[in-house]
Amino acid sequence: GEDVEQSLFLSVREGDSSVINCTYTDSSSTYLYWYKQEPGAGLQLLTYIFSNMDMKQDQRLTVLLNKKDKHLSLRIADTQTGDSAIYFCAERRDAGNMLTFGGGTRLMVKP
Amino acid sequence: DTEVTQTPKHLVMGMTNKKSLKCEQHMGHRAMYWYKQKAKKPPELMFVYSYEKLSINESVPSRFSPECPNSSLLNLHLHALQPEDSALYLCASSQDYPDYNEQFFGPGTRLTVL
Repeated sequence: GEDVEQSLFLSVREGDSSVINCTYTDSSSTYLYWYKQEPGAGLQLLTYIFSNMDMKQDQRLTVLLNKKDKHLSLRIADTQTGDSAIYFCAERRDAGNMLTFGGGTRLMVKP
Repeated sequence: DTEVTQTPKHLVMGMTNKKSLKCEQHMGHRAMYWYKQKAKKPPELMFVYSYEKLSINESVPSRFSPECPNSSLLNLHLHALQPEDSALYLCASSQDYPDYNEQFFGPGTRLTVL
């Protein structure tokens, strides 16, 4: 299987919270990232968390990191239709200088 | 200006053509990246330039030839491509390599090889 795994699809109603999950396998990961990609567009770095942190909040976004379970999540509060996109998590490992991406989660927000 | 621009937006080429993709940034970043992204897949790193020197070549076939003429420009020269090379090609930049905490992506060039 892939080193970084995400569920393929998430559907929520406008105004609800969305939680996108990611699991990774390398305990030496230093930074973990969340990117957003809208249709036909490049990637936009949303936020990142350093591996010695449990939580990071940035406006409507909350990142939770459980190092013991190697689980990362992105919570989007008050989800809007403009949040519809594919969300990729990525890890940067201590041993290397490259990112390993998950397969992406497509978020669909229904009005 | 926190923008990475890429041209063209779309490109259709035959397997015998020679074409180039262009990427430009004016943020003073010294690292520039080329990624390839197939449909419904995450991006895959192809090349990294740091201070105008090729730092990373992820075993990319020689039909893809990167060039960094100056610190603001990054080109990807294409020759004798195959249909399976059809993908979205993304350029990115960051202050230094490796610095993914402040990496900016361009909108991509969608390439179709016939």
